[in-house]
Amino acid sequence: DQQVKQNSPSLSVQEGRISILNCDYTNSMFDYFLWYKKYPAEGPTFLISISSIKDKNEDGRFTVFLNKSAKHLSLHIVPSQPGDSAVYFCAARSGGGADGLTFGKGTHLIIQP
Amino acid sequence: DTGVSQNPRHKITKRGQNVTFRCDPISEHNRLYWYRQTLGQGPEFLTYFQNEAQLEKSRLLSDRFSAERPKGSFSTLEIQRTEQGDSAMYLCASGGNSRTGELFFGEGSRLTVL
Repeated sequence: DQQVKQNSPSLSVQEGRISILNCDYTNSMFDYFLWYKKYPAEGPTFLISISSIKDKNEDGRFTVFLNKSAKHLSLHIVPSQPGDSAVYFCAARSGGGADGLTFGKGTHLIIQP
Repeated sequence: DTGVSQNPRHKITKRGQNVTFRCDPISEHNRLYWYRQTLGQGPEFLTYFQNEAQLEKSRLLSDRFSAERPKGSFSTLEIQRTEQGDSAMYLCASGGNSRTGELFFGEGSRLTVL
C-alpha cells in the first residue's frame, strides 16, 4: 500500500520551459512534504519542503504547491536548466514516532537542450 | 567534509556471506535512519535510531539484518547469510531537530550479491 505516489516515471521538458512534477498521497496524518533530488551514484539531496498548513512555498526557481483537499502536491521548476536533469522524489513525514520519511518511487526529469 | 559518510561505497559478495556497512552521520544529529533503495523504487525505511536507542524497525528488516549505533555516533548495518534479493543501495540518513524533518543522506553503499 503506497502512501506516497508519483505516477510519472519520467518527464521530458525543454530547457527554459517549466517542469511540473506531481505527487499524490493517502495518509492524512502527514504534516510535512519534502522534495529530494538524486543524481546517479549519489544520495538524495533535499530541495524544498512545505508544511501541511501551507499551500505554497517558493525558493528561487523551485515552488511547491499543496492541495490538501485533493491530497496532491506539485513541484514547479522554472526556468528548467540542464543541471535539473535528475530523479526527483516526493517524500512525506508522518509527524510522530520515528519521524521518518515515506518516499514515492521518483520521477526522472530530463531537460532537453 | 561534514556530511553523512558511508562505506564501503560498493560491496560485491557471494550468496551466503556476511556484509557490514558503516555510516557516520553529521556529528550534531541525534536521529539516524537506514533506508534501502532498489531499481525503480524510492528509498524504503529500514530502521531508526534516536541517539543509541533503536526505536523502530520496518518489517522489511528480516532477522538476517541487524543494526547498531553504539554510543550514539556511527552506525553499522550487518546482513548475515546474504541472498540475491538483498542486492540494493543501502542509504543512511541523519537528522537533527529541524522543524521540517529534513534528513541528510549519505551517498549510499551499493550491495551486489552474486
